[in-house]
Amino acid sequence: GIQVEQSPPDLILQEGANSTLRCNFSDSVNNLQWFHQNPWGQLINLFYIPSGTKQNGRLSATTVATERYSLLYISSSQTTDSGVYFCAVAPGAGSYQLTFGKGTKLSVIP
Amino acid sequence: DTGVSQDPRHKITKRGQNVTFRCDPISEHNRLYWYRQTLGQGPEFLTYFQNEAQLEKSRLLSDRFSAERPKGSFSTLEIQRTEQGDSAMYLCASSQTGRSVEQYFGPGTRLTVT
Repeated sequence: GIQVEQSPPDLILQEGANSTLRCNFSDSVNNLQWFHQNPWGQLINLFYIPSGTKQNGRLSATTVATERYSLLYISSSQTTDSGVYFCAVAPGAGSYQLTFGKGTKLSVIP
Repeated sequence: DTGVSQDPRHKITKRGQNVTFRCDPISEHNRLYWYRQTLGQGPEFLTYFQNEAQLEKSRLLSDRFSAERPKGSFSTLEIQRTEQGDSAMYLCASSQTGRSVEQYFGPGTRLTVT
């Protein structure tokens, strides 16, 4: 099956700093999503981005499908950005199951 | 949209008991998915329905697990003869058919088997 690798596994930032999270995947995909998991376990949709670039406030994401990677950018980080960020992909071709990476645990300190 | 809802939010049960969880997808979403997440890991796919048809099942879904979506709306996930290894967060998601296959997740049911 498709493999998903996220880096770094852990990241500690000072409030106000910028960061880049990376997601590598092993095969072509028709779905790529970035999620933020809050302390209660809820997965919050950040981006649906199988290709291209999107921005939403302080967050932006880029997926280069031909090179099989995606990047999530967080600018001017806030303490509320803390949590685990997951990248998940689905291969398409009739298969819609998402395969998740192990996540990046982000801690933003004041 | 009211979002995906799951019930109960927490369940504590003794080993050997049966448990059943319910998921209500976003209205008009005809695809419904179940995932399981253990501590420190990303969610893992269990099974997927399109309308009432169960189209994909993971090898993680042992014979003790069964899922249904009888009328193509809500779904139930039953675990028979629970084991301590079943302790996890069980997540449900839904999506539309069509160009965007973006999945939206519910709050999850946290199962603890004692």
